Amino acid sequence: DGGITQSPKYLFRKEGQNVTLSCEQNLNHDAMYWYRQDPGQGLRLIYYSQIVNDFQKGDIAEGYSVSREKKESFPLTVTSAQKNPTAFYLCASSPGGALSSYNEQFFGPGTRLTVL
Amino acid sequence: GQNIDQPTEMTATEGAIVQINCTYQTSGFNGLFWYQQHAGEAPTFLSYNVLDGLEEKGRFSSFLSRSKGYSYLLLKELQMKDSASYLCAVRDRTGGFKTIFGAGTRLFVKA
Repeated sequence: DGGITQSPKYLFRKEGQNVTLSCEQNLNHDAMYWYRQDPGQGLRLIYYSQIVNDFQKGDIAEGYSVSREKKESFPLTVTSAQKNPTAFYLCASSPGGALSSYNEQFFGPGTRLTVL
Repeated sequence: GQNIDQPTEMTATEGAIVQINCTYQTSGFNGLFWYQQHAGEAPTFLSYNVLDGLEEKGRFSSFLSRSKGYSYLLLKELQMKDSASYLCAVRDRTGGFKTIFGAGTRLFVKA
């Protein structure tokens, strides 16, 4: 089955620790995205990548880092510099990269990160 | 700047019709999306509008007026499973064709 996977579904970490969230897609999509969702708020863009080995900061990139070494994978690291990391993190991908005219995003199931 | 407004919550009755409105301000409009998100789950795509008018897809329809910066999602023959959040999202060609999401409208369908 084609799709986008995130693991784990729930993650607990101690304050001050870095943590990496996994995102894998087998849809052969060029573009991938990381969003953060807090209760009662919309999705806020953290980082996005239009092509392998390239990525750009979104609106709330501070305290996060990403890599895009393979087309299928776009891991997100939440560093200790992120002031309020507890949130629901969603990874998404889209077919034609950000410059295509139609750009429906397909979302993974999300990872709920709780920092204790 | 960019801004998307939609009502926080709505309640409707099973079998009825409900309209969820969305207004937006953006400098480089390049399409509007509606997504459905059940609690604790990922958003799923419902519709896409880039030209003015109505797009119909089964029980769901979406309307766009670019001159008014306005869209609505129309849900007909409401079912209990339609209880979810509905996210309006606008694609903006400035700053790299990012998609900006609204906070979502929580719809409660009652029997």
